[in-house]
Amino acid sequence: DAGVTQSPTHLIKTRGQQVTLRCSPKSGHDTVSWYQQALGQGPQFIFQYYEEEERQRGNFPDRFSGHQFPNYSSELNVNALLLGDSALYLCASSFGTSPYEQYFGPGTRLTVT
Amino acid sequence: AQTVTQSQPEMSVQEAETVTLSCTYDTSESDYYLFWYKQPPSRQMILVIRQEAYKQQNATENRFSVNFQKAAKSFSLKISDSQLGDAAMYFCAYSVVYGQNFVFGPGTRLSVLP
Repeated sequence: DAGVTQSPTHLIKTRGQQVTLRCSPKSGHDTVSWYQQALGQGPQFIFQYYEEEERQRGNFPDRFSGHQFPNYSSELNVNALLLGDSALYLCASSFGTSPYEQYFGPGTRLTVT
Repeated sequence: AQTVTQSQPEMSVQEAETVTLSCTYDTSESDYYLFWYKQPPSRQMILVIRQEAYKQQNATENRFSVNFQKAAKSFSLKISDSQLGDAAMYFCAYSVVYGQNFVFGPGTRLSVLP
């Protein structure tokens, strides 16, 4: 039973570029949430997708957008990258919107130069 | 807005000893969940233990237990018989019952000394 998977593992981009990160939820899960974890800090909630719609959103600008596909996998897109977007991006999945059984993936390390 | 505070940026413990990590939170909700997550250098967030706010009994998972004081909005983690593999960043997190906008604390780095 595969857990939450994310790709790529590492990514280096230049300021102003756009990036897409991918997440496949744990088998049986239908909800995906994304978090940004800056170095030395706790993760911050970006948004949650359920039934292919954004259900909740944290305090992040519109440059951060997402998508959920019919197979429940999800993408996080960030446009017009800033140096401050450098962080570990974590994906978490669960069944339904309850946080009680939420599992995290290993993350994608994004470096913006 | 909900906030989570972890006042100990770093802690250390001798192998086989007991250590307690502190966490306080602020919320106006009466029902919510609290979690402790462990993040080793591999970066994977691993759930250590969780507590439902409506339950008065403190949660326990093997060597890990919590002291949940709802009135004081305190949620500390006790690790007994510490092992080298317990060394990691530990994050306290809060969530409303319906929703997944977890609020994480800043973390406590735990070192285990042989």
